Amino acid sequence: DTGVSQDPRHKITKRGQNVTFRCDPISEHNRLYWYRQTLGQGPEFLTYFQNEAQLEKSRLLSDRFSAERPKGSFSTLEIQRTEQGDSAMYLCASSPTGQVDNEQFFGPGTRLTVL
Amino acid sequence: AQSVTQLGSHVSVSEGALVLLRCNYSSSVPPYLFWYVQYPNQGLQLLLKYTSAATLVKGINGFEAEFKKSETSFHLTKPSAHMSDAAEYFCAVRGNTGGFKTIFGAGTRLFVKA
Repeated sequence: DTGVSQDPRHKITKRGQNVTFRCDPISEHNRLYWYRQTLGQGPEFLTYFQNEAQLEKSRLLSDRFSAERPKGSFSTLEIQRTEQGDSAMYLCASSPTGQVDNEQFFGPGTRLTVL
Repeated sequence: AQSVTQLGSHVSVSEGALVLLRCNYSSSVPPYLFWYVQYPNQGLQLLLKYTSAATLVKGINGFEAEFKKSETSFHLTKPSAHMSDAAEYFCAVRGNTGGFKTIFGAGTRLFVKA
């Protein structure tokens, strides 16, 4: 098991461009989460999936953000018309379904810089 | 609503000294509490978790935390700091419904002096 992987690790883009990030969870983990972490802050919840269904979205997830998890495996997070305020670390985590205290395993994150 | 407050954005200790990182929580339901560590350019790693089984929780790398309901606290301690403990530490709370999303504190950066 190689853990949660994210690609790319770093992304620099110009304001107004679209970007897409990918997350590959631990195999057999049904739940997948996206968080955003800005400098000096803890991760903030964005959205989560159970299998392919997106079951909750944070108010932080504006209309410019969209997440998918086709076939319940990997997930993508797309940001359209990026703004400088989108610069952050985007973290993905996965966990098995079931108990609320199941550990969420985090990936290394994708650091986005919007110029 | 649930929230977490970590007291002190930076804590500095000498190697071998006691580590104490403070966390207070707010939750309308019995909380599930977690401490995570984040090393530079890495994801978060779970140190320990409280799930109502025992108030004193032992985690990895010699860390432990005590759940005190009366104080709504879940402070993280380690008797003797090591240089390798230098990292960012996050306290987090999780609800028991829905997707079990996790609410994180702002983090405390631990510096360990030789």
